Order: sequence, then structure tokens, then C-alpha cells
Amino acid sequence: GAVVSQHPSRVICKSGTSVKIECRSLDFQATTMFWYRQFPKQSLMLMATSNEGSKATYEQGVEKDKFLINHASLTLSTLTVTSAHPEDSSFYICSARITGTSGATYEQYFGPGTRLTVT
Amino acid sequence: SQKIEQNSEALNIQEGKTATLTCNYTNYSPAYLQWYRQDPGRGPVFLLLIRENEKEKRKERLKVTFDTTLKQSLFHITASQPADSATYLCALDVGGGGNKLTFGTGTQLKVEL
Repeated sequence: GAVVSQHPSRVICKSGTSVKIECRSLDFQATTMFWYRQFPKQSLMLMATSNEGSKATYEQGVEKDKFLINHASLTLSTLTVTSAHPEDSSFYICSARITGTSGATYEQYFGPGTRLTVT
Repeated sequence: SQKIEQNSEALNIQEGKTATLTCNYTNYSPAYLQWYRQDPGRGPVFLLLIRENEKEKRKERLKVTFDTTLKQSLFHITASQPADSATYLCALDVGGGGNKLTFGTGTQLKVEL
């Protein structure tokens, strides 16, 4: 149980184009999902908290107009990198907390990640 | 400023030995601390959660301790196996609701035959 998928796993795009990454909770509901970015040899950096049915909350320094987040259902959140540039090349990972009748779990279940390369 | 420190150097141990990884933090008062495993090119996998009022937690060959006075957590893998080789991340809740986590940089563990 508690499986999170991401699509695509790898994407190469040209500078100036937009890329959409999907994050799905396959066997549970998630009112809250998180988007992280990880550069080589570095830790995960939280970009934003995605809340089902409401606007995402972005961390300081993350441009909300560049990284568009949509959490349209209890099992799907999307991250769109708009007008991508080479410096946006990174490993993007989503996570979700299981939402049950007594609230949400503290632990997070991560997707396998999406490797974005902008040329 | 807030900091989470894990040993950045890789830890190499022999199969069968106990691996001990350290997570130190400053300027945090986390309600709980979590440990994750991350393999290259993959997302982290949740291992254990320990709350501020718990001293120790165990799960199979894994043991976590949490000392809020020292601001330190130790993560132990007993009877280590080559399959335990991975990067291990500690994560703290940052408070303020929302259950957001801040991750350490991780320690790479290599278990050799």
C-alpha cells in the first residue's frame, strides 16, 4: 500500500518550453501533497505544499508563476515548470500523506521522481 | 539559523556489523523526527518515525533514538547487509502546522561483503 507514482520519469525539453509532471497516489487519498527539488549530492528542498481544492503554498524563494501547481483531486497533483531554463534542470520529487478519517499521517510517501533536463 | 547535520562522509562497514548514523539539529524543536532511505535516482522511502516524547523506536533490524536535550537522533541498522547500502536521510517537522519536513543532506552507507 501507499504507492505514489510520477510521470514522466525523465523528460528533456528545450529552453523556453513548459513541462508538466504528474503525481498520483495510487491506493490512498491525499489531501496534501508536497513537491521537492533535489540537486546532485544535495538534500531535498521543499518547493511547495499542494492542497486539494485550494491554492498551493510556496516556500520562500520559489516563484509560484514559474512552478504552477494544481491539486485537482484527492489522488492527483501536477507541477508545471513554465518557460523552463537550464538552471531548472533537476530531480523533482513529489510526496503525499495518507488522509484517513482520523486525519493525515505524519510520514510521507514519495514518488520515484522525475529527472528534468532543459537544453 | 536552523540546521540539520548528517555526516557527509560515506560510512563503510562490513556485512554483519551494526551501522550507526547520526543526525544533529540546531534551532529546531521538532515534535517528531523521521528517517528515510534513498537509493540513487529514486524517491525516499519512509522507514521510521519517532516522537519527541519517545526515547527509542525499533522496527526489525532498525533502531532509532531521539535525544531532545542533545538535539540528536541515532539510526542503527543491526546485522547489516549489502542490500542496506543506500543514502539515509533524517527529516524534522518544521512546526507551524502543515507537517512540512526539512531534510538533512543524508549519509551514504556502504555495506561490504
